[in-house]
Amino acid sequence: GQQLNQSPQSMFIQEGEDVSMNCTSSSIFNTWLWYKQDPGEGPVLLIALYKAGELTSNGRLTAQFGITRKDSFLNISASIPSDVGIYFCAGTAQGGSEKLVFGKGTKLTVNP
Amino acid sequence: DTGVSQNPRHKITKRGQNVTFRCDPISEHNRLYWYRQTLGQGPEFLTYFQNEAQLEKSRLLSDRFSAERPKGSFSTLEIQRTEQGDSAMYLCASSLRRGRILSGNTIYFGEGSWLTVV
Repeated sequence: GQQLNQSPQSMFIQEGEDVSMNCTSSSIFNTWLWYKQDPGEGPVLLIALYKAGELTSNGRLTAQFGITRKDSFLNISASIPSDVGIYFCAGTAQGGSEKLVFGKGTKLTVNP
Repeated sequence: DTGVSQNPRHKITKRGQNVTFRCDPISEHNRLYWYRQTLGQGPEFLTYFQNEAQLEKSRLLSDRFSAERPKGSFSTLEIQRTEQGDSAMYLCASSLRRGRILSGNTIYFGEGSWLTVV
């Protein structure tokens, strides 16, 4: 089945730094979604992308749907301590099921 | 609060017992999904419904697992004869699927139901 490769696995940064994480797929995706998950909670939707090349912002977060439709990135600018958590990319593959496939997550730690 | 409600939030059960989780999706959403997540992993798809029809089931959904959505609103996920390997967080999600539109299928998750099998 489809798999998403998400990197990096973990990041340790200082408050105020910018962060970038990305996700790649071996197949074309129709949708890319980015979620944040806190311990013991469900994933919370951050940004949804629906068209190749689309660049969308949500406050300090910016995400892009890659032109090849096989990748996406998420940037966080001027990180703050509450950005700590696990960030997941997810998407629906072209031509197949409309279920969401998830990456393995990027664990972000922000040192104040 | 995304509007997707799950209960119970936590369940501890003895191996061999049956458990049932309930999910109430966002009210106008016609699609409902079940996922399972173990520590250190991303959520894994189990099954989904469009209205009351179960459209797809993962191979992860063994015959001990059954999901229903009888009236196209809330859904239940039952696990029979639980095993220790069933310990995980079970996530429900919902979305609104409009006609033939393939894009715009934004999926919102509930807070999850933790299952511990002892």
